[in-house]
Amino acid sequence: GAGVSQSPRYKVAKRGQDVALRCDPISGHVSLFWYQQALGQGPEFLTYFQNEAQLDKSGLPSDRFFAERPEGSVSTLKIQRTQQEDSAVYLCASSYGKEETQYFGPGTRLLVL
Amino acid sequence: AQKVTQAQTEISVVEKEDVTLDCVYETRDTTYYLFWYKQPPSGELVFLIRRNSFDEQNEISGRYSWNFQKSTSSFNFTITASQVVDSAVYFCALSDAYTGGFKTIFGAGTRLFVKA
Repeated sequence: GAGVSQSPRYKVAKRGQDVALRCDPISGHVSLFWYQQALGQGPEFLTYFQNEAQLDKSGLPSDRFFAERPEGSVSTLKIQRTQQEDSAVYLCASSYGKEETQYFGPGTRLLVL
Repeated sequence: AQKVTQAQTEISVVEKEDVTLDCVYETRDTTYYLFWYKQPPSGELVFLIRRNSFDEQNEISGRYSWNFQKSTSSFNFTITASQVVDSAVYFCALSDAYTGGFKTIFGAGTRLFVKA
């Protein structure tokens, strides 16, 4: 079946702009995760959803970051007033349950100029 | 604290050589999961293996094998007879009950170059 998909694959934003990154999880996967991967580093946890409920957002770096999954399927990660330090690859993953193996999408590469 | 250390930043081998990627982890829990993911140049993280802390049996899958040793908190990954297509960044990762069972902690990755 189809894997996790993310759009856009690449996004260039001017500092101060708002951006929205979309994730389509694998069908039937209850859990959805967002990670941030800086250049040359491993992914770092941002937030976790179980269905539509955001159960953990401890990794969000600031209140400029906001994520939602209103119908328990597609999720959007929004970054307001982007800063240069927000430049990274944003990875989405999904799994059947919170302790199950996470399958990752291709990521959105965000560059803030 | 939960931590995953991949001490090798980059490894370069010639095709057909065997190569081992090291992974050392720290956790307070007795129940945890360890993972290896491959990240090719396309950027997508590809799941390779998941092991739970109660299963120390080594595993082999084709040219890939994994050596899990709780006594040394290591979960090393060996590629036998490496191929150019194995060139990628490889991440070792950990999740445990302390982090809620879902907050996967990744190492910094090891970049593997396999030259023809």
